Amino acid sequence: DAKTTQPNSMESNEEEPVHLPCNHSTISGTDYIHWYRQLPSQGPEYVIHGLTSNVNNRMASLAIAEDRKSSTLILHRATLRDAAVYYCILRDVGNTPLVFGKGTRLSVIA
Amino acid sequence: SAVISQKPSRDICQRGTSLTIQCQVDSQVTMMFWYRQQPGQSLTLIATANQGSEATYESGFVIDKFPISRPNLTFSTLTVSNMSPEDSSIYLCSVAGTREGYEQYFGPGTRLTVT
Repeated sequence: DAKTTQPNSMESNEEEPVHLPCNHSTISGTDYIHWYRQLPSQGPEYVIHGLTSNVNNRMASLAIAEDRKSSTLILHRATLRDAAVYYCILRDVGNTPLVFGKGTRLSVIA
Repeated sequence: SAVISQKPSRDICQRGTSLTIQCQVDSQVTMMFWYRQQPGQSLTLIATANQGSEATYESGFVIDKFPISRPNLTFSTLTVSNMSPEDSSIYLCSVAGTREGYEQYFGPGTRLTVT
């Protein structure tokens, strides 16, 4: 599996936007970029995914660089409930299991 | 989506014993996986549970230590055998391949402490 690099931790103020970066310089043409998050004492949950174009859903936005070697997960208004570990994962098309890196621990300050 | 339940939610076991963890999904799924999350660490894939055949294990995990069953499309078990304190972890069941697509869903986990 292609590797991703994320900062170990980030901090944000409540109600502010948060940009979580991810580098994936060895991404292949069939790799989708997935983001999952793990809230305290819970299993991971799906956030968003994309291939080439920017994506939006009710939880977040995903901005993908034109060369696909990096991406950014955007939380438009951080809340205390968004405090979690965020994982950026490359996954080939199909049903291969997710392989987790270390992720970014996001702290949200009231 | 898929709703996953795991039993037990937590357990404290003595070294040398075995524990079987059950994973039940509320709908038929194509893929079922087992992960381990050691304290303060990320998730590590143990194996893919295959219906009707032997599980596919990742490097570093063996069938004798982590036997897995998957008798149908909604149920799987993971056994942690001959436990040692190093097996103290959270074990998570995950599924993919629902009617909606191949997004992965995770159970709440089983917190295992070995004394």
